Amino acid sequence: AQRVTQPEKLLSVFKGAPVELKCNYSYSGSPELFWYVQYSRQRLQLLLRHISRESIKGFTADLNKGETSFHLKKPFAQEEDSAMYYCALSKPRAAGNKLTFGGGTRVLVKP
Amino acid sequence: EPEVTQTPSHQVTQMGQEVILRCVPISNHLYFYWYRQILGQKVEFLVSFYNNEISEKSEIFDDQFSVERPDGSNFTLKIRSTKLEDSAMYFCASRPQGNQPQHFGDGTRLSIL
Repeated sequence: AQRVTQPEKLLSVFKGAPVELKCNYSYSGSPELFWYVQYSRQRLQLLLRHISRESIKGFTADLNKGETSFHLKKPFAQEEDSAMYYCALSKPRAAGNKLTFGGGTRVLVKP
Repeated sequence: EPEVTQTPSHQVTQMGQEVILRCVPISNHLYFYWYRQILGQKVEFLVSFYNNEISEKSEIFDDQFSVERPDGSNFTLKIRSTKLEDSAMYFCASRPQGNQPQHFGDGTRLSIL
């Protein structure tokens, strides 16, 4: 069974400080990993996916298959980064490609 | 930018009543999904739909749930006889053909009294 764990429910950092959101997964094959973000009163939006290997809004995430992790990092947090962040996994090329979500981490960036 | 739209934004229903949640996926998308999030819990997969049939469903998606694509634009989730524990935020999502990510709607908050 596939599972995603986000150990931190809340991360509070000061503006300009680095932020790292942890995500660990359990899956026997090679999954696809995603980070979705939900700003206040807005919909879930894709932030980035591991196959893209790109940086979005200063965020990066590296898939570490040895540690089964996909941690999200940003070197200098901004106040507009305050949001709920969800790590998610799907089986590649599966018929439905359902997403399995972690419990989410709320990030609060203080001025 | 095209968006997935969901209606209503909030639905209040008496226990035992039927409810239909509506979604309009993005027009060229072919895969459709419903997820739910009970307050304080994870976003959970309910069902995926492709080519006018269910491609996968979770244990949550029992006989009281059904999905339908009645026309070329709407994708609905019906709960036949609602229970208190059905109270949750329900999200619709869609994606196009190929290895593309899912796009989510704003969600419908369902409150069962």
